[in-house]
Amino acid sequence: DVKVTQSSRYLVKRTGEKVFLECVQDMDHENMFWYRQDPGLGLRLIYFSYDVKMKEKGDIPEGYSVSREKKERFSLILESASTNQTSMYLCASSSPGQGTINYGYTFGSGTRLTVV
Amino acid sequence: KNQVEQSPQSLIILEGKNCTLQCNYTVSPFSNLRWYKQDTGRGPVSLTIMTFSENTKSNGRYTATLDADTKQSSLHITASQLSDSASYICVVTKGNNRLAFGKGNQVVVIP
Repeated sequence: DVKVTQSSRYLVKRTGEKVFLECVQDMDHENMFWYRQDPGLGLRLIYFSYDVKMKEKGDIPEGYSVSREKKERFSLILESASTNQTSMYLCASSSPGQGTINYGYTFGSGTRLTVV
Repeated sequence: KNQVEQSPQSLIILEGKNCTLQCNYTVSPFSNLRWYKQDTGRGPVSLTIMTFSENTKSNGRYTATLDADTKQSSLHITASQLSDSASYICVVTKGNNRLAFGKGNQVVVIP
């Protein structure tokens, strides 16, 4: 069964800490994405990557950075965590197929991050 | 204005009953439309995906329809079960490879 694996289900960090959220996919997908999900706001795109060492800003990149050193791994970095970054973080990967872009779009199980 | 609007925002249904969730979108151009099920505290799981040329797709008790002319989709749940309690999210892939997300339909199935 294909998978997108996020390293932590729950995480509690202190304000100002540097936080790493890891995501690994085993589907050989080219595209990987990081979202945050907040009540009433739905999913919002933070960063995405279409290839190794490539990254593009999404809709809300402020306060975040990413790293993609290998095709299967996409990391989200909070340089200095703040309380307004408390959220559910979702990683996803996709690949073209079936004649349409982003056909196999698969999400990880999510990381619930609390910044105190 | 959100490009993907879902209704109703939430609903409660009796176990065994059917329900229909609506999704209206304004995204153009449009590549495909998906429905995801998201259990509380978990990531979304894909139920169906339809391209603009498809107008219905089933996955067990879930049936999605798409009218690309009116830009409307629906997700029908047949003979609901307690495990159907979840948020159902409509997602449209835009021509620039970005996704537009609805805010979800929260379904609660009660015995």
